[in-house]
Amino acid sequence: SAVISQKPSRDICQRGTSLTIQCQVDSQVTMMFWYRQQPGQSLTLIATANQGSEATYESGFVIDKFPISRPNLTFSTLTVSNMSPEDSSIYLCSVTGATVPGYTFGSGTRLTVV
Amino acid sequence: QQPVQSPQAVILREGEDAVINCSSSKALYSVHWYRQKHGEAPVFLMILLKGGEQKGHDKISASFNEKKQQSSLYLTASQLSYSGTYFCGTEQGGSEKLVFGKGTKLTVNP
Repeated sequence: SAVISQKPSRDICQRGTSLTIQCQVDSQVTMMFWYRQQPGQSLTLIATANQGSEATYESGFVIDKFPISRPNLTFSTLTVSNMSPEDSSIYLCSVTGATVPGYTFGSGTRLTVV
Repeated sequence: QQPVQSPQAVILREGEDAVINCSSSKALYSVHWYRQKHGEAPVFLMILLKGGEQKGHDKISASFNEKKQQSSLYLTASQLSYSGTYFCGTEQGGSEKLVFGKGTKLTVNP
């Protein structure tokens, strides 16, 4: 399966600032997704990162708040903009490939907004 | 639409069996199962595709009832390493997007 490097692993940020999370995959993948998970809760899909075009956002998530880039088939970034304490969560990228079943998840970014 | 998982939590002794259920009100293309240990990322266990094909890589089995849009994960002869939270993820229409259930917390005690 693909190996994902997600950075940073954790951060503590001031409200009103922005944080960019990086997701690097060791092989080309077809689909990349960004999820959010509150501790002890389920995973909520934020958006699908599309290579070479604008991301596709789920209901309740907007581009101005969570801009996403995917410049190629192995890399994506998620920015959490103008942060508030409600954005404190774990953010995970995940990928699917053509050769192995299922999703592979990055190790996650634990974000705390103070 | 978020699938419904049951039960919410299970406590077992080593060697006992458990079944975790996942149901959806929408027609499903596939059902995935993942296990997440505390502080770690979810790990893929099994995918069940419309039409009956199963793909997985663990000593865990599952079923998919397409008529009822239900899936069950069967954990037999549980081991301490089975402890964690199990999530089902459902895919509609071949979109490859997964919507996850709320999870089932499984605890296996010695």
